Amino acid sequence: GAVVSQHPSRVICKSGTSVKIECRSLDFQATTMFWYRQFPKQSLMLMATSNEGSKATYEQGVEKDKFLINHASLTLSTLTVTSAHPEDSSFYICSTQGDGYGYTFGSGTRLTVV
Amino acid sequence: ELKVEQNPLFLSMQEGKNYTIYCNYSTTSDRLYWYRQDPGKSLESLFVLLSNGAVKQEGRLMASLDTKARLSTLHITAAVHDLSATYFCAGGSNDYKLSFGAGTTVTVRA
Repeated sequence: GAVVSQHPSRVICKSGTSVKIECRSLDFQATTMFWYRQFPKQSLMLMATSNEGSKATYEQGVEKDKFLINHASLTLSTLTVTSAHPEDSSFYICSTQGDGYGYTFGSGTRLTVV
Repeated sequence: ELKVEQNPLFLSMQEGKNYTIYCNYSTTSDRLYWYRQDPGKSLESLFVLLSNGAVKQEGRLMASLDTKARLSTLHITAAVHDLSATYFCAGGSNDYKLSFGAGTTVTVRA
């Protein structure tokens, strides 16, 4: 089945620095990638949708200048958290449509900002 | 905007007994999903329900969909410890976005 490879799985960064998270679709083309954020013991909240070759669309309340999304190719979408602060510490998960009506999820990135 | 309500939020199960998790959604959705999440992990797909009356079963888990009632259920038969996890339902919108329920944290005790 469709596989999305997400890296890194864990990252610790200093406050004020930027962190890039990558999601690669393996053996298939992902024209759309959904980016979610999950705080501890909470549900997944959609942050933005990236489409290959066009600008990402952000959900209400998500700062597009802080969470930069790039979908430059059909197999790679990236999320960059710029000027990270402790409140950005969270579990970030990417997802794309897989076979049929199903969705494939990346393995997630645990971001800790210190 | 599709809203999904899931209950209960926490479920303590006794091994060997049966339980049900409920998922209500607010507007028409032609796709309903169930996922499992283990601590520190991403989501594992359990079921995709696409039509009214759809029923799918895998091992001790069975999911059903009633689009008229806007209700999906996840039924657990004879709970075992391995089923301890958080279960999410999610509804699919026309724009292919998923709206997730709050999740049900299941703990199975002996």
